[in-house]
Amino acid sequence: QKEVEQNSGPLSVPEGAIASLNCTYSDRGSQSFFWYRQYSGKSPELIMFIYSNGDKEDGRFTAQLNKASQYVSLLIRDSQPSDSATYLCAVTQTGANNLFFGTGTRLTVIP
Amino acid sequence: DAGVIQSPRHEVTEMGQEVTLRCKPISGHNSLFWYRQTMMRGLELLIYFNNNVPIDDSGMPEDRFSAKMPNASFSTLKIQPSEPRDSAVYFCASSFQGWGNTIYFGEGSWLTVV
Repeated sequence: QKEVEQNSGPLSVPEGAIASLNCTYSDRGSQSFFWYRQYSGKSPELIMFIYSNGDKEDGRFTAQLNKASQYVSLLIRDSQPSDSATYLCAVTQTGANNLFFGTGTRLTVIP
Repeated sequence: DAGVIQSPRHEVTEMGQEVTLRCKPISGHNSLFWYRQTMMRGLELLIYFNNNVPIDDSGMPEDRFSAKMPNASFSTLKIQPSEPRDSAVYFCASSFQGWGNTIYFGEGSWLTVV
């Protein structure tokens, strides 16, 4: 079992819709959770992090964490074509000795 | 502010040749990471330095790979001899105090071994 699992997609949503990206992780002791966005041919850039159960909102982005179920999700409201990218979920290992990345979900927002 | 700087951006080399990738972390950051990204395996941590000391190199594929960090502002990743399966994008990243804080990635070094 991989440490972090994501649906590779592609996920296509129309402009203005809500995009929902999901991630599950295997290490129950994980403490920190990150969402990175990676445009084609570019490096990953952090868009959100979350440490506590519940929701965290930042502009059009909302991260949701459920440690009991070991999943973390990212909602993008009012999706824009510029949101089209691969979204990487990253989770720290217990003791924070490593940061495991999922293989990413490719999102396409259709104008 | 300058971000993480990597060089070369692109390299094409022949199998068996030595490849050296370079990285300058963000000033003030004391944690440096080398990652490799491929379509099949995604982003994989190769090695992690903290205060110039290698903390975890368990991700280094084999003895052909080596990494150094002689000072706080410079690190190298060397592959000798290179093989076609080493073709990937190699990212250097840095942060202040490990993974608890934001990790900033460089633009990557795109390596092709033919």
